[in-house]
Amino acid sequence: NAGVTQTPKFQVLKTGQSMTLQCAQDMNHNSMYWYRQDPGMGLRLIYYSASEGTTDKGEVPNGYNVSRLNKREFSLRLESAAPSQTSVYFCASTKQGRNSPLHFGNGTRLTVT
Amino acid sequence: QKEVEQNSGPLSVPEGAIASLNCTYSDRGSQSFFWYRQYSGKSPELIMFIYSNGDKEDGRFTAQLNKASQYVSLLIRDSQPSDSATYLCAGDQGAQKLVFGQGTRLTINP
Repeated sequence: NAGVTQTPKFQVLKTGQSMTLQCAQDMNHNSMYWYRQDPGMGLRLIYYSASEGTTDKGEVPNGYNVSRLNKREFSLRLESAAPSQTSVYFCASTKQGRNSPLHFGNGTRLTVT
Repeated sequence: QKEVEQNSGPLSVPEGAIASLNCTYSDRGSQSFFWYRQYSGKSPELIMFIYSNGDKEDGRFTAQLNKASQYVSLLIRDSQPSDSATYLCAGDQGAQKLVFGQGTRLTINP
């Protein structure tokens, strides 16, 4: 019973490098999300995909791109990493409907030096 | 100003007492609210959600929603040391968009 799977768990990048964070869910959920979490800032929404084929910006989209590859997979790309993107990244998914809770992956801890 | 606001704490409560966590929101269109608990180094886990005015109880937890005043609260009765965690409030902003507050760190003292 995998739920939401994120890879990698840890990553260290140098400034200017690029990388893609992968997320997959096996719960047949329609909506998927990427959040970042910094100390004292809670979870901030980067991008979300309400349904397959759509993506929308959240609170902090600058410096990121996303791809909803299919219903299961939603990836987050950093084209040119900056130290300000050092954070813990969480992917989440939910069924559609305003009362549907989020199911979170285990997170990716990213350090940009 | 964040659209969902919480007091970041830390909030310290003696074991066995009631812990009260509060959250305010600015979007009057928000209909559903969620409380998550997050242990250090772990991902958030759902405690409960509420979408109707009033109280909703689940075991030792009670969520309260007041749409006129735009606040949501979570009460934890008979607090236990295992309740020590960060509590995150989230509100929907339509179109499946969920926004979180900054979280309140709660410590239960034995």
